[in-house]
Amino acid sequence: DTGVSQNPRHKITKRGQNVTFRCDPISEHNRLYWYRQTLGQGPEFLTYFQNEAQLEKSRLLSDRFSAERPKGSFSTLEIQRTEQGDSAMYLCASSRGGQANTEAFFGQGTRLTVV
Amino acid sequence: GDSVTQMEGPVTLSEEAFLTINCTYTATGYPSLFWYVQYPGEGLQLLLKATKADDKGSNKGFEATYRKETTSFHLEKGSVQVSDSAVYFCALSALYPNAGKSTFGDGTTLTVKP
Repeated sequence: DTGVSQNPRHKITKRGQNVTFRCDPISEHNRLYWYRQTLGQGPEFLTYFQNEAQLEKSRLLSDRFSAERPKGSFSTLEIQRTEQGDSAMYLCASSRGGQANTEAFFGQGTRLTVV
Repeated sequence: GDSVTQMEGPVTLSEEAFLTINCTYTATGYPSLFWYVQYPGEGLQLLLKATKADDKGSNKGFEATYRKETTSFHLEKGSVQVSDSAVYFCALSALYPNAGKSTFGDGTTLTVKP
C-alpha cells in the first residue's frame, strides 16, 4: 500500500502527558499537511510543510503543539501537556507540489482521547 | 478568510432517491473545489473535483458543477444506494503560495435506507 500512513491509529492518554503521532506521506509528495477533526465538524488546518520547511501554522496550533519533518519525508506531531480539549482525530495529508488543483491524499487519521 | 458552508444534515433518503447536498464558498480569487467522502472509521477520500468555473466534476455517479456566479459547488446523484451512506465534505483549495491547503465545510451525513 503506497498511501498516506499514520501511526498509531488510536491513542488514549492521561491529561498532562505528552503524545507524538507519525505520518508517512506518499513518497514522491513534497507537501505534507496536518489537520484536526472534532466530532461533527470538518477538518481544520493546523500546519503544512514543503519538504522539510514548515511554511504555515494555524492559530489553532498552540505552543503545546509542535510538528517536524526533519528530512522532508515523514512528519511527527507532538502535543505536550495534553488537555481534554485536545481529544480529536488528527489527519495527515500529502500532495505533489503546491498547485491548487492538486489532489491531497489523506491518511486514516490518529484518534486521540485524553482522559 | 476562506470558508465553506454546507447544508446541514443529517440527510436520510430511500434507495434510488435523488440526492442534492448544497455547498457554497467564500474565497479570494478562484480556488479549486472538491468533494470528499468519509466512511465510518476511515480517512477522507476524494470523490470529485473541479478547478475552474463551469467545470463539472464527476465520479461514481456523483456530479458537481463549479458555479462562479453563485459561488456554489452542489453535489448531486440521480439514484443513491445504501453503500453511499457516509459523511460528505465540501472543500476548497487555496491559491498560490499556499495551494493545496484546504478549507472544509462541516460535513453532511447521508444515510440511505433500503
